[in-house]
Amino acid sequence: KQEVTQIPAALSVPEGENLVLNCSFTDSAIYNLQWFRQDPGKGLTSLLLIQSSQREQTSGRLNASLDKSSGRSTLYIAASQPGDSATYLCAVDNNNDMRFGAGTRLTVKP
Amino acid sequence: KAGVTQTPRYLIKTRGQQVTLSCSPISGHRSVSWYQQTPGQGLQFLFEYFSETQRNKGNFPGRFSGRQFSNSRSEMNVSTLELGDSALYLCASSLTGRWSSGANVLTFGAGSRLTVL
Repeated sequence: KQEVTQIPAALSVPEGENLVLNCSFTDSAIYNLQWFRQDPGKGLTSLLLIQSSQREQTSGRLNASLDKSSGRSTLYIAASQPGDSATYLCAVDNNNDMRFGAGTRLTVKP
Repeated sequence: KAGVTQTPRYLIKTRGQQVTLSCSPISGHRSVSWYQQTPGQGLQFLFEYFSETQRNKGNFPGRFSGRQFSNSRSEMNVSTLELGDSALYLCASSLTGRWSSGANVLTFGAGSRLTVL
């Protein structure tokens, strides 16, 4: 059974700082990994999806990397802004079995 | 274009009752998947429907069921409600499902928050 862990559970940084969120998984036989953000009381917004054959994906200030062999993914956020404050979740697809991490709650202080 | 619409947004039920939640996907999207989010268990996959057929199912008891109509709208039903069913229920749609594909990124609705008393 796939287990997905996100560290840290919460993170508070000053505006402008670069930061890294971590996601680890126990079964490396994944189909892909996806990062989402969730704002309080709302649904999820897809940020980046990395296929198992890929090493990283970039979108604007966001960069996600994937290392299947070590069971790790990181989400790098450059020049953080208060609008980045949200909970970030990673989700792993083992071909029909979807597992989500508990999320990292990010607060970016002005 | 309109996003994923979930109704109702909030509802309160008592133990033993049943509840039906509705999800209208983005126009043209044929796949709808459902998720349960609770503080204790986090976000968990319930099931996915594509062209009126259930394709995948998470590890939930048979009290949780769903269906999809020919217009791709989907409903999920929870029978014999328990206190532990209190949660935010999210649905997501995509073009052809298999959310794995980069061309079929999931779009989520705002959710239906169910409270069981």
